[in-house]
Amino acid sequence: AQRVTQPEKLLSVFKGAPVELKCNYSYSGSPELFWYVQYSRQRLQLLLRHISRESIKGFTADLNKGETSFHLKKPFAQEEDSAMYYCALSGLGTALIFGKGTTLSVSS
Amino acid sequence: IAGITQAPTSQILAAGRRMTLRCTQDMRHNAMYWYRQDLGLGLRLIHYSNTAGTTGKGEVPDGYSVSRANTDDFPLTLASAVPSQTSVYFCASNGQGAFYNEQFFGPGTRLTVL
Repeated sequence: AQRVTQPEKLLSVFKGAPVELKCNYSYSGSPELFWYVQYSRQRLQLLLRHISRESIKGFTADLNKGETSFHLKKPFAQEEDSAMYYCALSGLGTALIFGKGTTLSVSS
Repeated sequence: IAGITQAPTSQILAAGRRMTLRCTQDMRHNAMYWYRQDLGLGLRLIHYSNTAGTTGKGEVPDGYSVSRANTDDFPLTLASAVPSQTSVYFCASNGQGAFYNEQFFGPGTRLTVL
């Protein structure tokens, strides 16, 4: 079965601390993985996709096929990073399969 | 360019009533989707449409119907609302060309069924 698992509902860190939001997936085939972010009172927007292999707002994510993971990392968290983060997998045509989301809270 | 718009922004509805959530995009994207967002459950696909004139069922289609008469509009209808359909509903479309497989989301509709 195709599935995305985000084990943490809430991750609280202090400003300047490293952040790692975990994502594991189950997929038969070659997946495309994404991270979407939803800031307070805003719509969901794409943060990263694994095929672009770029850093957005200081965040990076590497697809590890051996561990079936796509963890999101940032070396130094900022307060404006506080948001809901969703890991997603492409499936059912082009529809996305989302994880349950992780709320990141960055405090000073 | 507005992208994706949804209406209404929020709605309180009595159980048993019929309700249509509207979704319009101006990006000429072929594929469109409806998701519901529930705390602790993430986003779940309700229905999708790969192109005008076609629709398909997602993970949680029961109690919902959609139509895709043209490229721009993708309304979601609750024929007889029930309290378990209280949720935030997001419409999305799938990018093309340089934005292939990037989904663009609307602002959401917060629906409360009493």
